[in-house]
Amino acid sequence: QKEVEQNSGPLSVPEGAIASLNCTYSDRGSQSFFWYRQYSGKSPELIMFIYSNGDKEDGRFTAQLNKASQYVSLLIRDSQPSDSATYLCAVRRGKTSYDKVIFGPGTSLSVIP
Amino acid sequence: SAVISQKPSRDICQRGTSLTIQCQVDSQVTMMFWYRQQPGQSLTLIATANQGSEATYESGFVIDKFPISRPNLTFSTLTVSNMSPEDSSIYLCSVGRDREQTGAEAFFGQGTRLTVV
Repeated sequence: QKEVEQNSGPLSVPEGAIASLNCTYSDRGSQSFFWYRQYSGKSPELIMFIYSNGDKEDGRFTAQLNKASQYVSLLIRDSQPSDSATYLCAVRRGKTSYDKVIFGPGTSLSVIP
Repeated sequence: SAVISQKPSRDICQRGTSLTIQCQVDSQVTMMFWYRQQPGQSLTLIATANQGSEATYESGFVIDKFPISRPNLTFSTLTVSNMSPEDSSIYLCSVGRDREQTGAEAFFGQGTRLTVV
């Protein structure tokens, strides 16, 4: 079993719709959870970071964490063509900068105008 | 966020040669992380570099192939040795920024795109 898994893409949504990206992880001791956006040819850009159960909202983005189910998701409301990118879920066992971050395989999102 | 500078941004190298990638951070950090992203793939952790000690390598990566230096708290290098076309990837440096209430975020340099011919 891979440490971090994401729903396979590519995912296509029409402009203005909600894009839903899912991620599961195997290490029950994980404490920090990240969503990165990566445009083709660019390095990953941190868009959301969550560490407690529940929802965390930042603009059009909402991250949801359920540690009991070992599940984290990212919702993108009012999707725009500029949101078209690969979204990487990442997990860290600890909470500090000493701990390594493990990435999922990524989900490619395409927002159709 | 952290400001992370990587050099070179890209290079084309001959097989059998070595390339050293530099990573400079704008402030002192204890741990620096090196990742590889092969074409069409996600990020795979190569090793963790702690200043003053040997780097810790992940399964499948060895020091002879990917030697790492960490001479101070703001700088690290990763060398890709005896390169083959299979080493063609993006190599990324990452650091964390601790926050008292919420834990540490993780940031990346712009990456080094390596092509081995």
